[in-house]
Amino acid sequence: EAQVTQNPRYLITVTGKKLTVTCSQNMNHEYMSWYRQDPGLGLRQIYYSMNVEVTDKGDVPEGYKVSRKEKRNFPLILESPSPNQTSLYFCASSFSGGTPYNEQFFGPGTRLTVL
Amino acid sequence: KQEVTQIPAALSVPEGENLVLNCSFTDSAIYNLQWFRQDPGKGLTSLLLIQSSQREQTSGRLNASLDKSSGRSTLYIAASQPGDSATYLCAVHTGTASKLTFGTGTRLQVTL
Repeated sequence: EAQVTQNPRYLITVTGKKLTVTCSQNMNHEYMSWYRQDPGLGLRQIYYSMNVEVTDKGDVPEGYKVSRKEKRNFPLILESPSPNQTSLYFCASSFSGGTPYNEQFFGPGTRLTVL
Repeated sequence: KQEVTQIPAALSVPEGENLVLNCSFTDSAIYNLQWFRQDPGKGLTSLLLIQSSQREQTSGRLNASLDKSSGRSTLYIAASQPGDSATYLCAVHTGTASKLTFGTGTRLQVTL
């Protein structure tokens, strides 16, 4: 089944403890992206990747890191999480970021709470 | 800067009614517009994708229209069912890098 998967789905952690949220897609998509969703603010893009080893900042990149060493994986790293990073996180992918006409597919979300 | 607005924020209708959800955007230079459904605690499910050159797309009981020049899209749901209860999000694809700009959604409840 074609899908975007995220792990973990739920995570409670404490301030300053490094964590990684994994994202994987099995559709051979070039483009991958991370969003966060907050009440009243909608979904906002954190980082995106046009292809392997190509990443760039979205609208709200502060406090996050990403890497794209393989086409299928795009992990989101919080080196020193803070309570304002408590949110619902979504990973998305599409066939090609360079062709802006493609449908985007989203993962199931990761609910992160930072105490 | 692109801004997307969805009205109403919440809507409750009895089963069987036809309904329209609205989406407006400030920058008409879009590549496409995508409608999503989000169920509580779950991810986003893509419903319809309308390219900028298209006027509408249909899938089953759903019909989405796009008027790019006026910055508007509507999602029409025919013969609503309780299973349609969810939050509906519209997102426009503008500029480079495949970024989607989302509205804050319309929370729909279809009652028996």
